Order: sequence, then C-alpha cells, then structure tokens
Amino acid sequence: DTAVSQTPKYLVTQMGNDKSIKCEQNLGHDTMYWYKQDSKKFLKIMFSYNNKELIINETVPNRFSPKSPDKAHLNLHINSLELGDSAVYFCASSQTGQAMVDTQYFGPGTRLTVL
Amino acid sequence: GQNIDQPTEMTATEGAIVQINCTYQTSGFNGLFWYQQHAGEAPTFLSYNVLDGLEEKGRFSSFLSRSKGYSYLLLKELQMKDSASYLCAVRTGGFKTIFGAGTRLFVKA
Repeated sequence: DTAVSQTPKYLVTQMGNDKSIKCEQNLGHDTMYWYKQDSKKFLKIMFSYNNKELIINETVPNRFSPKSPDKAHLNLHINSLELGDSAVYFCASSQTGQAMVDTQYFGPGTRLTVL
Repeated sequence: GQNIDQPTEMTATEGAIVQINCTYQTSGFNGLFWYQQHAGEAPTFLSYNVLDGLEEKGRFSSFLSRSKGYSYLLLKELQMKDSASYLCAVRTGGFKTIFGAGTRLFVKA
C-alpha cells in the first residue's frame, strides 16, 4: 500500500564512511526527487529525475550521487560522509507534464546522523 | 534570486481561525502549493493555486495573488491535530519546486 518508501528510516554512521539510501514509488509517477531537510527544517531540492534522466542537479557536493535504475526507483549514494551531512533526506515523486498539477508525494524520510 | 518568505512560528487557540501568509519572488511561476508537515513526518499535500483567487477545501482555504507574489493559507475551526509546520512552495518552471522554510503552528487549548 505504501506509495513512496525509503530505506533505511534511520542511519547512524561515522565520518568518512560511504552509505546509500533507497527509494521506491508504486504510484506510476515519472518524476522522482531527493530533498535534504536540515535542523532548521528547510526543505531543499538536491536532485530530480524524470523517466530515469537527471533534470535537476542543484549545487550539491559531488560526494552525493543519485542513481535511477528505472522510473520507480531513485537511490542516493553518499561518499566520505561529513558531519554537515546529518539531516533528514526525503524522497518524493510526482506525475509531471504541462497540464498536470505535479503534487509531490513524499516518502517517510531517512534520518542520517554522522558521528 | 529565488525567495519564499513565511513567518517562522504562529500560535492560535483551538476553534479559532488562523491565516498563514507567504510571499514569494521567483524566476517563473507555475503554481503555488501548501504542504503540512507534522513533527518527524513527511510533508503532505494540502492545496494548489495557479490562478488568482480563493480555493476552499473543507476547513482549509488557500488564496493567491500573482501580481503581489502573495498567498495565504486559512485554517478554520482549529483542532489540536493542526499543530504542525506549513510549507509554502512555488513551482518555478520545468520540474523545479522551491519550498519556504515553513511556519510552525502551535494550537493551544
């Protein structure tokens, strides 16, 4: 039943490690997103894929690499984790198109803590 | 640049009406969204405006004035469960949606 799911829900790791977060949507949407929400609750777009093609790539360190094996999945890999990477990462999806209201449906979030 | 402003916090009483304002300056405009986010949870969609005027949906209404770069979310008959953050977001063009920092609403008995 879950529309947008993410794993893991919590991730605690040491500085310098490499970790991945997975996202899947079963809504049949063609666009997926990664957002970072920091301690001030500001939700900031990182990446967006439309039909497996990267369409938004904000100013994000190249330690962050998204991968979309198909339009239902968008994973986020982070290399050499830093303290400042600690945040909640939300995956979202939407059905896009000029005639459509691209309401975004968010996953439950992954709380990443870097020690 | 892109800028979305909304108050950081508001407090209101159960049963009352509260209006949360949002002003925006963006390059391009293709609609304005309001999302609700409870603490520790994901944002969920509340409303969408692309034309000027008021959209009503139950206890929640949203207003847009494109010429003024202004929107508000009106919550009526406040309930304790309405305590949450309310995020104003603007779709600027293409596939990009920019979110404001959110307004934390506290509903007191």
